[in-house]
Amino acid sequence: DGGITQSPKYLFRKEGQNVTLSCEQNLNHDAMYWYRQDPGQGLRLIYYSQIVNDFQKGDIAEGYSVSREKKESFPLTVTSAQKNPTAFYLCASSSLGQQETQYFGPGTRLLVL
Amino acid sequence: AQSVTQLGSHVSVSEGALVLLRCNYSSSVPPYLFWYVQYPNQGLQLLLKYTTGATLVKGINGFEAEFKKSETSFHLTKPSAHMSDAAEYFCAVSTSGTYKYIFGTGTRLKVLA
Repeated sequence: DGGITQSPKYLFRKEGQNVTLSCEQNLNHDAMYWYRQDPGQGLRLIYYSQIVNDFQKGDIAEGYSVSREKKESFPLTVTSAQKNPTAFYLCASSSLGQQETQYFGPGTRLLVL
Repeated sequence: AQSVTQLGSHVSVSEGALVLLRCNYSSSVPPYLFWYVQYPNQGLQLLLKYTTGATLVKGINGFEAEFKKSETSFHLTKPSAHMSDAAEYFCAVSTSGTYKYIFGTGTRLKVLA
């Protein structure tokens, strides 16, 4: 079955630690996205990528970094510079085009110890 | 700039009653509009989308939405609510050029027995 996988489902971060969230898709989509979800704030775009080895900052990129070395993979690193990382993180992918549907993974919940 | 407004962060309906979730958008170009549903601790699932053509769009689980350009609205309806419809619903507009989505802040639907 085609789809998007995210791992882990839950992740715990200690003070000053960088953590990496995994996102893999086998839908052959060119574009991939990372969103942060906080209660009452909807989804906010962190980073997106439309082609391998290229990515752009979204609305809340500070304290996060990404890479896109393979079409199927778009990992997100939450760095120690992100002072309030507790949130639900969602990865999505789509074909290129304004009318295209974004498909979402199951999410990773990041908690701070 | 494009934007999405969802009126009502929480909506309660009785089982069997009409469901109406409101979404208004702002766009200087013809919009592409989407409704997604999210169950607790899960990713988003597409309910329906409007790209071009027929303004009444039918989606999954008995939901439908009507694109009204004059009112800049894309409200989601379902004739008869079911307990399984209890979830959070997000409206989104796709941006031209970058293909990013702008999401509303969501409406949590509660279905009363």
